[in-house]
Amino acid sequence: QVQLQESGPGLVKPSETLSLTCAVSGYSITNSYYWGWIRQPPGKGLEWIGNIYHSGSTYYNPSFKSRLTISVDTSKNQFSLKLSSVTAADTAVYYCARHRNGGSLSPFDPWGQGTLVTVSS
Amino acid sequence: DIQMTQSPSSLSASVGDRVTITCRASQSISGYLNWYQQKPGKAPKLLIYAASSLQSGVPSRFSGSGSGTDFTLTISSLQPEDFATYYCQQSYSIPCTFGQGTKLEIK
Repeated sequence: QVQLQESGPGLVKPSETLSLTCAVSGYSITNSYYWGWIRQPPGKGLEWIGNIYHSGSTYYNPSFKSRLTISVDTSKNQFSLKLSSVTAADTAVYYCARHRNGGSLSPFDPWGQGTLVTVSS
Repeated sequence: DIQMTQSPSSLSASVGDRVTITCRASQSISGYLNWYQQKPGKAPKLLIYAASSLQSGVPSRFSGSGSGTDFTLTISSLQPEDFATYYCQQSYSIPCTFGQGTKLEIK
């Protein structure tokens, strides 16, 4: 069964770049699916960040577009998130997830366990 | 962006109760509405997709309905493991957006 695991620094300084990777196991990322990132600030709701197809095609939330890069590494079966110029408002649990079927807007299932990233000096 | 509004924001209920949570979209999203359950410290779990389709492995006491702008999630008989926060999500247009969540607590 497909499993996703986020990894990356838990602490990032303001104005720096947040970098996370989502390792996929039990499934080849080159099969038909979009792979996405969602975040959740502590005690708050869910916010979609963006997604990517194995070809490299991406969709980004316009709220992040100028700061966001999502990329895929098919040789390592993983995809990554880079968010630049972070502020305290970017403090959140970051989840990676697979879209349930082939569409870029299909529901998210399954999800990774999430990783907390704190932006602080 | 399409705004998703859930009601109520919180709800107290007892084991065995029938519970309904409502989600309203700021514009028509046809049937592109999904429901998730999230327990503390855990990732969300997909319950219902396309407004009324039950995700594999999800108990049949969960059901969804609606189309256009108004949707409901119903739990027919609450079980102890159902106390959690529930989110709706529209998958009609980018950016996909979530409701603010409904926290279901034990009475």
